[in-house]
Amino acid sequence: SSELTQDPAVSVALGQTVRITCQGDSLRSYYASWYQQKPGQAPVLVIYGKNNRPSGIPDRFSGSSSGNTASLTITGAQAEDEADYYCNSRDSSGNHRVFGTGTKVTVL
Amino acid sequence: QVQLVQSGSELKKPGASVKVSCKASGYTFTSYAMNWVRQAPGQGLEWMGWINTNTGNPTYAQGFTGRFVFSLDTSVSTAYLQISSLKAEDTAVYYCAREIGNYDILTGYYKYYFDYWGQGTLVTVSS
Repeated sequence: SSELTQDPAVSVALGQTVRITCQGDSLRSYYASWYQQKPGQAPVLVIYGKNNRPSGIPDRFSGSSSGNTASLTITGAQAEDEADYYCNSRDSSGNHRVFGTGTKVTVL
Repeated sequence: QVQLVQSGSELKKPGASVKVSCKASGYTFTSYAMNWVRQAPGQGLEWMGWINTNTGNPTYAQGFTGRFVFSLDTSVSTAYLQISSLKAEDTAVYYCAREIGNYDILTGYYKYYFDYWGQGTLVTVSS
């Protein structure tokens, strides 16, 4: 079982804002990283660290963290943002990595 | 540019073995850890473990000990995942992913992330 919990699915109207959360005790010491995965494709890193975006990731993606919860926010969601999103961090021991359960984002 | 290129799809019978390769280019192979991730059909991402590309020391996640082996050939900048005694439930896409990790002195947080991924290798186990 995953030690990082995400809501299974969220929907957002085109151009609106959606926040995806990831909960886990390890997030009090380790930043989450966030990955976007579209059907049939490999995951892509979208947010890492406190709030860092790799080159090529639009600035409508942002990250934040408070206590045991990390969040990924898409401000002004676009049709191409429809995908599965996974958080990743360490487990409670700090020795192993773990993925969140994943959130399916639907853009209406 | 950094690239991780994995070997092609495999169709295997139960009980057989398979070896998936992940060839790295565009960076110093031994400077970054390599992780392996599994995704069963219709399921989420599952972290399998990682291998220290400097020492060759592997670490396996729970559930991936015994039949799963990570290895390296640093002379060709390639990481391998070998699965033995294949079962139908091993049917999945397997990804390699380069990892970066460090400690943020300003915030007191550690940050680890997978910045580059292979394209994935589909392993199908069927009689």
